[in-house]
Amino acid sequence: DAGVTQSPTHLIKTRGQQVTLRCSPKSGHDTVSWYQQALGQGPQFIFQYYEEEERQRGNFPDRFSGHQFPNYSSELNVNALLLGDSALYLCASSRTGEPFYEQYFGPGTRLTVT
Amino acid sequence: DAKTTQPNSMESNEEEPVHLPCNHSTISGTDYIHWYRQLPSQGPEYVIHGLTSNVNNRMASLAIAEDRKSSTLILHRATLRDAAVYYCILRDVQGTYKYIFGTGTRLKVLA
Repeated sequence: DAGVTQSPTHLIKTRGQQVTLRCSPKSGHDTVSWYQQALGQGPQFIFQYYEEEERQRGNFPDRFSGHQFPNYSSELNVNALLLGDSALYLCASSRTGEPFYEQYFGPGTRLTVT
Repeated sequence: DAKTTQPNSMESNEEEPVHLPCNHSTISGTDYIHWYRQLPSQGPEYVIHGLTSNVNNRMASLAIAEDRKSSTLILHRATLRDAAVYYCILRDVQGTYKYIFGTGTRLKVLA
């Protein structure tokens, strides 16, 4: 089992550009959450996708959008990049339907905006 | 969203027990207490969770205060591989799917 995989590992973009990050969930998982982790901080919840719909969203602007595909993989898109978007972006997968669900995190994508 | 408070950092000697505290005075009756840890250059990983009773698993033990306003993660014998940032997280099982991370406790293990 490959666990949660993310691509790319690192990315450098310029202010104003757009970026797409990708995530493949752990086998058997149907739910994908995205988090942003700034240096020295804990991860912050961006949104969660289930059944190809955004189920819950954190306090992030509309520049952050996502998608979930029928195979449960997911993309995070960020438009009009700002310097403050530089962070580690983490994807976590889980299985819906239980009161407790363990989230499995990927290694993250390090985004640098210059 | 209920908040948690943890010390910024702690140190432990190798092979000694470590007690990592977490305060959550605004916890509600439907909040689960989760602990995750983040090793250097990795995503967070699950450690343990509980609701009211103390819990044990192969990684750690979770001691929950009777009033549930605090909890303690116990690593029985710290190893160098346990050096990480430990996050105490509350999640309300009714109506929310998000995990709210604080800044966590950075655990340093001394050889």
